[in-house]
Amino acid sequence: NAGVTQTPKFQVLKTGQSMTLQCAQDMNHEYMSWYRQDPGMGLRLIHYSVGAGITDQGEVPNGYNVSRSTTEDFPLRLLSAAPSQTSVYFCASSGDRGAGNTIYFGEGSWLTVV
Amino acid sequence: GNSVTQMEGPVTLSEEAFLTINCTYTATGYPSLFWYVQYPGEGLQLLLKATKADDKGSNKGFEATYRKETTSFHLEKGSVQVSDSAVYFCALKGSSNTGKLIFGQGTTLQVKP
Repeated sequence: NAGVTQTPKFQVLKTGQSMTLQCAQDMNHEYMSWYRQDPGMGLRLIHYSVGAGITDQGEVPNGYNVSRSTTEDFPLRLLSAAPSQTSVYFCASSGDRGAGNTIYFGEGSWLTVV
Repeated sequence: GNSVTQMEGPVTLSEEAFLTINCTYTATGYPSLFWYVQYPGEGLQLLLKATKADDKGSNKGFEATYRKETTSFHLEKGSVQVSDSAVYFCALKGSSNTGKLIFGQGTTLQVKP
């Protein structure tokens, strides 16, 4: 199983550019989410989705858009990149609403905005 | 709201030393608790989890017990190895959420030979 696949792994953007981080899972998971990881701050939730066609904001949604047109894919769009969005981004998925269900993470996307 | 607090690092130990990384949480209801590990340059891996009070999660020699009375989920290992050097994250998933995790800030462990 591929699990959760993120692309690209590394990206350098100029301020003001837009881009999309791709995330795909092959486990037929209902729940998907995006986190960003910054030094000393752990991981913070950007956006999440409870199923195809349904998305909602997390803790730090500003500057990011998401959509969920299929169960498998959950892309994260940076509309106009800013240096404050330099971070490591993780996509995650899980199978049901049970509190104990494990959340699986992708390998991360390292983004630098200059 | 829900929150997780971890001890600050870095934690530096000699090989074969005993490890404790403290984690406490604030949550309503009956959350599930997790420890994730991140090795240098890699993504997050689930290390262990506990879904109800007094449960003990264990994996690769690591253990953590879900203590509701002290709202804690401390990570322990009896004898660390150099290969355990990584960042460790404590995380919580609420009983009524939608697959979201609340993370602590992470604790860096450095094990010296």
